[in-house]
Amino acid sequence: NAGVTQTPKFQVLKTGQSMTLQCAQDMNHEYMSWYRQDPGMGLRLIHYSVGAGITDQGEVPNGYNVSRSTTEDFPLRLLSAAPSQTSVYFCASSYVFTATNEKLFFGSGTQLSVL
Amino acid sequence: AQRVTQPEKLLSVFKGAPVELKCNYSYSGSPELFWYVQYSRQRLQLLLRHISRESIKGFTADLNKGETSFHLKKPFAQEEDSAMYYCALSEKMTTDSWGKLQFGAGTQVVVTP
Repeated sequence: NAGVTQTPKFQVLKTGQSMTLQCAQDMNHEYMSWYRQDPGMGLRLIHYSVGAGITDQGEVPNGYNVSRSTTEDFPLRLLSAAPSQTSVYFCASSYVFTATNEKLFFGSGTQLSVL
Repeated sequence: AQRVTQPEKLLSVFKGAPVELKCNYSYSGSPELFWYVQYSRQRLQLLLRHISRESIKGFTADLNKGETSFHLKKPFAQEEDSAMYYCALSEKMTTDSWGKLQFGAGTQVVVTP
């Protein structure tokens, strides 16, 4: 099992450019989510999904779009990048509705710089 | 609204000394609390959760509802404990709130020999 795979690992964008951060998991997890990690602020939830075709907003959704067409993939789209979106992005997944297991599996992260 | 506070950004301890990472939360309901850890060049991973009442790598954490705290403790720190530690809170599992973990800002632990 590869677990949670994120690509790319590093990306530099110019203000106004668009791009998609990819996230894939091979554990048949129903739940997938995107966090951003900023110094002094911990991890903040951007968007999440509890299954294919179902997405919802987290704490900081503005400027980001997501879709979930398959169980395996959960891409994060930046439509018009801004310097405030410079951050490290983490994708995480887990099983849903497991009584005793509320454990997130994280990807290795994408470091994004917007100039 | 829920909030998780980790007051220490950096904790430096000597090998063999006790270490305690503070975590306080504000939440009106019944919380589920977790500690996640990120070692250098590794992925963020679950360390322990309060519901399991377990000890992992010598770490323990007790939920104190009166003080709304979930401090992480280890009696004798080791160099391999050097990492970033995040306290996280989730509402009790429901259809809508599953997995919406709220993380604290993190505490960097450095254990020196």
